[in-house]
Amino acid sequence: AQSVTQLDSQVPVFEEAPVELRCNYSSSVSVYLFWYVQYPNQGLQLLLKYLSGSTLVKGINGFEAEFNKSQTSFHLRKPSVHISDTAEYFCAVSRTDSWGKLQFGAGTQVVVTP
Amino acid sequence: KAGVTQTPRYLIKTRGQQVTLSCSPISGHRSVSWYQQTPGQGLQFLFEYFSETQRNKGNFPGRFSGRQFSNSRSEMNVSTLELGDSALYLCASTPGLAGNEQFFGPGTRLTVL
Repeated sequence: AQSVTQLDSQVPVFEEAPVELRCNYSSSVSVYLFWYVQYPNQGLQLLLKYLSGSTLVKGINGFEAEFNKSQTSFHLRKPSVHISDTAEYFCAVSRTDSWGKLQFGAGTQVVVTP
Repeated sequence: KAGVTQTPRYLIKTRGQQVTLSCSPISGHRSVSWYQQTPGQGLQFLFEYFSETQRNKGNFPGRFSGRQFSNSRSEMNVSTLELGDSALYLCASTPGLAGNEQFFGPGTRLTVL
């Protein structure tokens, strides 16, 4: 069985400041890791994914994440946020042998203020 | 390429009724997954279809069912609706290979009165 824990339900941040969203997972098997973003009244959009290889993954819109196997974490970072980054962010995992099923964390609401 | 489309976008039903939601995947994608999103339970996996066969199933009661057609379009059905079925239902498609990104549609907002 797997579980995904997003450690912060809401993160307020000022425009142009850095942000880090924390995600920890547990799994007895190998997994792939994903970060998705959801804007109001929309579906989910992939920011980045970790399948294998380099532990630092770069995604769209200036986001990056680091996979840490020993700490079973996959934290998302952005060095300078914009107002348009206000959204809900979801960390997700899928088993490497069952890739059609994503298990999501509870989400982190990021609110960017001027 | 057109994205994932879901119809209808909004739906209002009453308890006890049944409902069918439709999802058209991105052209060439053979896998379609369905998720339920609610404020209380978050995003939960319902099921996945690949080449017309259910490949994965989540922990939902039998009232929730789905199917996939030969053109990869998928439908999900909920029978005997309950108030707790009110949710955003999201469909996602992927080519179906390991590590493929899931592309999500905008969702169908179901309200059960």
